[in-house]
Amino acid sequence: GQQLNQSPQSMFIQEGEDVSMNCTSSSIFNTWLWYKQEPGEGPVLLIALYKAGELTSNGRLTAQFGITRKDSFLNISASIPSDVGIYFCAGRSNQGGKLIFGQGTELSVKP
Amino acid sequence: GAVVSQHPSRVICKSGTSVKIECRSLDFQATTMFWYRQFPKKSLMLMATSNEGSKATYEQGVEKDKFLINHASLTLSTLTVTSAHPEDSSFYICSARAPSGTGGWAEAFFGQGTRLTVV
Repeated sequence: GQQLNQSPQSMFIQEGEDVSMNCTSSSIFNTWLWYKQEPGEGPVLLIALYKAGELTSNGRLTAQFGITRKDSFLNISASIPSDVGIYFCAGRSNQGGKLIFGQGTELSVKP
Repeated sequence: GAVVSQHPSRVICKSGTSVKIECRSLDFQATTMFWYRQFPKKSLMLMATSNEGSKATYEQGVEKDKFLINHASLTLSTLTVTSAHPEDSSFYICSARAPSGTGGWAEAFFGQGTRLTVV
């Protein structure tokens, strides 16, 4: 079945640093989504991407839909302590609208 | 964005009993809802797709007689874990797909999750 490889699995950074994480797939997706999940909560949608090559920002967050449709990255600039959490990428092809999730990137920010 | 409410947020039940989890879309109608299971430090695993007025579609390996899904209205889907056992303990999360036009997205918004502990 379809799989998403998300990396890195975890990051420990200093407050103020920039962060980058990415997802790759062996198959094509027509939608890429990035979510953030905090402990004991459901994922919250950060950015949605619908076109190959699309670059979208949401505050300090920027995400891009890869030209090949098989990858996406998420950048966080000038990280702050409240950025702590697990970030998931998710992709959707045309198969019934189901989302395929990456393994998650756990972000820790040291003040 | 659209709001999805899940209830209860935590539940502890005895082995052999059944537990019902509710997922409601509060400000939109959701023809499709999804149920996920998540283990600690792991990704979300899709269990089933719930369609209003029809039978749910279960993912391979998910027992439909154990995880009963009912989507009786456009704003409510329920997941019932029947005859629960300790291995069913997990974090269950629902999502509801908003129609195009809600915040400009037709995306799935997630509930807060339900922590089920079977003792």
